[in-house]
Amino acid sequence: EAGVAQSPRYKIIEKRQSVAFWCNPISGHATLYWYQQILGQGPKLLIQFQNNGVVDDSQLPKDRFSAERLKGVDSTLKIQPAKLEDSAVYLCASSLESSFQETQYFGPGTRLLVL
Amino acid sequence: GDSVTQMEGPVTLSEEAFLTINCTYTATGYPSLFWYVQYPGEGLQLLLKATKADDKGSNKGFEATYRKETTSFHLEKGSVQVSDSAVYFCALNDYKLSFGAGTTVTVRA
Repeated sequence: EAGVAQSPRYKIIEKRQSVAFWCNPISGHATLYWYQQILGQGPKLLIQFQNNGVVDDSQLPKDRFSAERLKGVDSTLKIQPAKLEDSAVYLCASSLESSFQETQYFGPGTRLLVL
Repeated sequence: GDSVTQMEGPVTLSEEAFLTINCTYTATGYPSLFWYVQYPGEGLQLLLKATKADDKGSNKGFEATYRKETTSFHLEKGSVQVSDSAVYFCALNDYKLSFGAGTTVTVRA
């Protein structure tokens, strides 16, 4: 079974530039998550989708971050404009459903450096 | 809100030593508890989980028991190997997955 795919794996940009990350979840997984992991910390949920609808985006800085999940499969996360403090690893995860007992499966992450 | 506190690292052990990583949690409901592991250069992967009080999760020689009375989910392994060197994250899911800060474990031959 193919895992969660993410691209790119690494990205370096200047502050105030824009950047986009892509995620393809495990086939059949209805729920998709984006996390931000700052160095030395655990991942923090940014947004959760159930199919193509948003379930929770309470921690998403909506003035600069946006995300979409068209057709309930792939998802993109965008940052515009980027700030220095956005330097982090962005993780995508998916699960069969959104139950709190479900295991979330994580992709390899995109490491973003903002200069 | 929900939170997870885990033992600070880094932890350095010799091969065949006993490993314990403490994890305590605060939650308003009855969460599921997880241990995730991140090996060098790899993504996060589930190590084990427990979904209700007194459940024991186990995998690859690791064990953790869901203790509601002490709000704990400590990770243990009786004899570690060099290949167990990784960052270990304790997490809870009540309505969303919340992680601890991670504990870096290094096992020396």
